[in-house]
Amino acid sequence: DARVTQTPRDKVTEMGQEVTMRCQPILGHNTVFWYRQTMMQGLELLAYFRNRAPLDDSGMPKDRFSAEMPDATLATLKIQPSEPRDSAVYFCASGKTGQLRNTEAFFGQGTRLTVV
Amino acid sequence: AQSVTQLDSQVPVFEEAPVELRCNYSSSVSVYLFWYVQYPNQGLQLLLKYLSGSTLVKGINGFEAEFNKSQTSFHLRKPSVHISDTAEYFCAVSDSGFGNEKLTFGTGTRLTIIP
Repeated sequence: DARVTQTPRDKVTEMGQEVTMRCQPILGHNTVFWYRQTMMQGLELLAYFRNRAPLDDSGMPKDRFSAEMPDATLATLKIQPSEPRDSAVYFCASGKTGQLRNTEAFFGQGTRLTVV
Repeated sequence: AQSVTQLDSQVPVFEEAPVELRCNYSSSVSVYLFWYVQYPNQGLQLLLKYLSGSTLVKGINGFEAEFNKSQTSFHLRKPSVHISDTAEYFCAVSDSGFGNEKLTFGTGTRLTIIP
C-alpha cells in the first residue's frame, strides 16, 4: 500500500531551535507539496516541487523556512530559528504529473510541531 | 488566482439522514475540483475528484458531488450518513492547465453525526 511517509509525527521544540521535517513521497511520484495547517489559516501551501525543482515557494517565510529535495525519495522542510507562531501541523503530499495530467495529491499523516 | 468558499463551518446531521456540504469556487481559468476528508489526527484522504466529463462524480464511502459550472459550485452529498462519517471535509481547486498543480483549499466543514 503506497503512502507518503512523514517524520517525525510529533515534535516539541524550544523557540530558537532548528527543526527539520522529512517526507518520503510515493515511489514514482514527481510532484511534492508542503502544506501547513492551523486553526486560524486553514491549509496553506508553503512550497512545491516538480522533478525535484522548486516551482513555487511564495507561501513560505523566506527568512526562516527552507525546503529542499536532496533526491527523488526525500523532501525536507527546515525552520531556523523556530518561533511559537510556527506551531502547526505540516503536511507533505505527493502526486504524479505527466502528459496525462492528474493532480490528485496523496497526503502524509503530518508532523505536529509545537514551539514553546 | 483561485479561491474556494465552504459556506458552512459546522454541519450536524442525524445518523442515516442525508447531508450536503456546500462548496463554491472562483477562478478565471478552467479548473479541477476535489473533496478531501480528514479524520482526527490524520492526513487528508481524497474522496472524489472532477477533472472532466460527467458532472456527477462518485467517490468513496458513498459520497458523490456535482460540478455546476454556471453556479461555480461543487457540492458534496451523501444520501444516508453513518457515525464513521464524522470528520472534517475540505473542498479544493486547481488550475487544469499543465504546470499548475497546486491545490487551493477551502476552510473546511466539520461534519458531526448525531446518533
